[in-house]
Amino acid sequence: QSALTQPASVSGSPGQSITISCTGTSSDVGGYNYVSWYQQHPGKAPKLMIYEVSNRPSGVSNRFSGSKSGNTASLTISGLQAEDEADYYCSSYARSSTLVVFGGGTKLTVL
Amino acid sequence: EVQLVESGGDLVQPGGSLRLSCAASGFTFSSYSMIWVRQAPGKGLEWVSYINSTGRTIYYADSVKGRFTISRDNAKNSLYLQVNSLRAEDTAVYYCAKKGTGGSFDYWGQGTLVTVSS
Repeated sequence: QSALTQPASVSGSPGQSITISCTGTSSDVGGYNYVSWYQQHPGKAPKLMIYEVSNRPSGVSNRFSGSKSGNTASLTISGLQAEDEADYYCSSYARSSTLVVFGGGTKLTVL
Repeated sequence: EVQLVESGGDLVQPGGSLRLSCAASGFTFSSYSMIWVRQAPGKGLEWVSYINSTGRTIYYADSVKGRFTISRDNAKNSLYLQVNSLRAEDTAVYYCAKKGTGGSFDYWGQGTLVTVSS
């Protein structure tokens, strides 16, 4: 069982928007603005898409945005494109011996 | 260009040991914390271990504590993970990653596969 809870799958049609949630506790997601989101295509390494809840690294499309409310963080992808089909993982700094916690991952299908 | 290249993965019997390496280039390795993350076949990401830039602050996931040892050689721009007493459940692709801003990890290697099986 992963420390952070994500839906197993989400789907959307090209051009639509989707949101992936990531629920933790006050000891991780709710306690710090250190939530990150990673995209992983099959057989590839994870790629950082969002850091510190809502910041995009250079080169990441502005179709990707992040937010947080309480113990739940969210990743929104607008204007879905076929290339967005991938697995998405959230992570957070955690106030415990487990320094970093990941969500179980969400498979995004672009219909 | 930042590059992280892992090596050392192999097929090993239960109870065996391996030393995984991560060669870094394209950034000042000695200035950054690093982590190891693993991914079992068909499963999600699992944080394994963290080491700060000097090697003096180290953390481990409970699942590997006492069996795995993280280290680094800043003179060689290299990160290591000594994995001992391997179990079937340690079978995974092991990634090294560079710490970015906040709690993020901004560059990842391509991974090295460790298979534990008799």
